[in-house]
Amino acid sequence: DQQVKQNSPSLSVQEGRISILNCDYTNSMFDYFLWYKKYPAEGPTFLISISSIKDKNEDGRFTVFLNKSAKHLSLHIVPSQPGDSAVYFCVKGNKLVFGAGTILRVKS
Amino acid sequence: EAQVTQNPRYLITVTGKKLTVTCSQNMNHEYMSWYRQDPGLGLRQIYYSMNVEVTDKGDVPEGYKVSRKEKRNFPLILESPSPNQTSLYFCASSPQAGVAKNIQYFGAGTRLSVL
Repeated sequence: DQQVKQNSPSLSVQEGRISILNCDYTNSMFDYFLWYKKYPAEGPTFLISISSIKDKNEDGRFTVFLNKSAKHLSLHIVPSQPGDSAVYFCVKGNKLVFGAGTILRVKS
Repeated sequence: EAQVTQNPRYLITVTGKKLTVTCSQNMNHEYMSWYRQDPGLGLRQIYYSMNVEVTDKGDVPEGYKVSRKEKRNFPLILESPSPNQTSLYFCASSPQAGVAKNIQYFGAGTRLSVL
């Protein structure tokens, strides 16, 4: 039972444009959702989170949107930078159920 | 510097030869856990520990053992490794267990190949 699904294995975006990474989830009532970023040869690092009582959380260039009726969340990165190229994991807290990840490539 | 340290970073071994991957954190965190990452599957939790001497199974515990004798250390033990345990392993820690916003800090990973 995959509780967190990231259906796009990869995404390629031009520098300066918006990157939108998507995630669908199941089996959740009240929870936290988190996004982690992972560079090659490093462990994942926390990026941004959202509580299920909110529908939006913003931190600089990163914004996460939560649509509870659709059980869908998305991460927006604006503007995208080459340094954002990484694997992004959508994660359902509190036990940290990870999606499969989306590889983001930002082309300069 | 606050960090989670795993050793070794790379390991090639043969089927059946016992091995231990060490994990240490210097942040006085209560909660520690082990994950394995496989292509297309994200990270899956193997074991976790809420505090010293308190460990429990995650989603994929078969073939693994852990211990938590001290707060800072959480080794992962493979008593008889098999090729299906070839994977990328991550250790992680967080300040508290059982909180919804469970931000974990990860080590750099251990790439294990079992021949």
